[in-house]
Amino acid sequence: QVQLQESGPGLVEPSGTLSLTCAVSGGSITSDNWWSWVRQPPGKGLEWIGEMFHRGDINYNPSLESRVTLSVDKSKNQLSLKLYSVTAADTAIYYCARMPYFYYSMDVWGQGTTVTV
Amino acid sequence: EIVLTQSPGTLSLSPGERATLSCRASQGVSSDYLAWYQQKPGQAPRLLIYGASKRATGIPDRFSGSRSGTDFTLSITRLEPEDFAVYYCQQYSKPALYAFGQGTRLEI
Repeated sequence: QVQLQESGPGLVEPSGTLSLTCAVSGGSITSDNWWSWVRQPPGKGLEWIGEMFHRGDINYNPSLESRVTLSVDKSKNQLSLKLYSVTAADTAIYYCARMPYFYYSMDVWGQGTTVTV
Repeated sequence: EIVLTQSPGTLSLSPGERATLSCRASQGVSSDYLAWYQQKPGQAPRLLIYGASKRATGIPDRFSGSRSGTDFTLSITRLEPEDFAVYYCQQYSKPALYAFGQGTRLEI
């Protein structure tokens, strides 16, 4: 079955760039699924960051749109997230998740990776 | 922007009891666009219900979702010890925006 694994630096300096990848195994990133990033600050709820489809369609949370870039590397079967000009408020667990077409929800999640600013 | 409000914030019940969790949308939401997740400490969220009432793969039938107007309900009959967790509702609104409720903690 499909598995997702996030990775990246656990510590980012303020005003720096947070860069994460999400490796997809057990399935293709070019399948009929959207792929999302979600984050969760310590002890708080979930916040959707954005989604993308392998053909290049991308949607961002308006609250983060000016600072975030999502991309896909089909050759590596992985997703990438870049968040610019980070502050302490960006400290969170970052998850990637699969979103099947017409589910409008996230049915497979990575284990998450903790990033501290 | 649609805002989801979950209630109660914390629900204290015992194993074997029935849990009823609420998620109210600030404006009309299509049933197709409402989902529920369970999250246990140190774990990623797990999809329980999508399309307001459709159980995700592998979810026991003691979990069910329903809708009445702008109110969505997650019901858990016969609580098992492993059901005590935090539950989130999530909605999709066009053109492309996902939002989560603030969560309900179900505690023993």
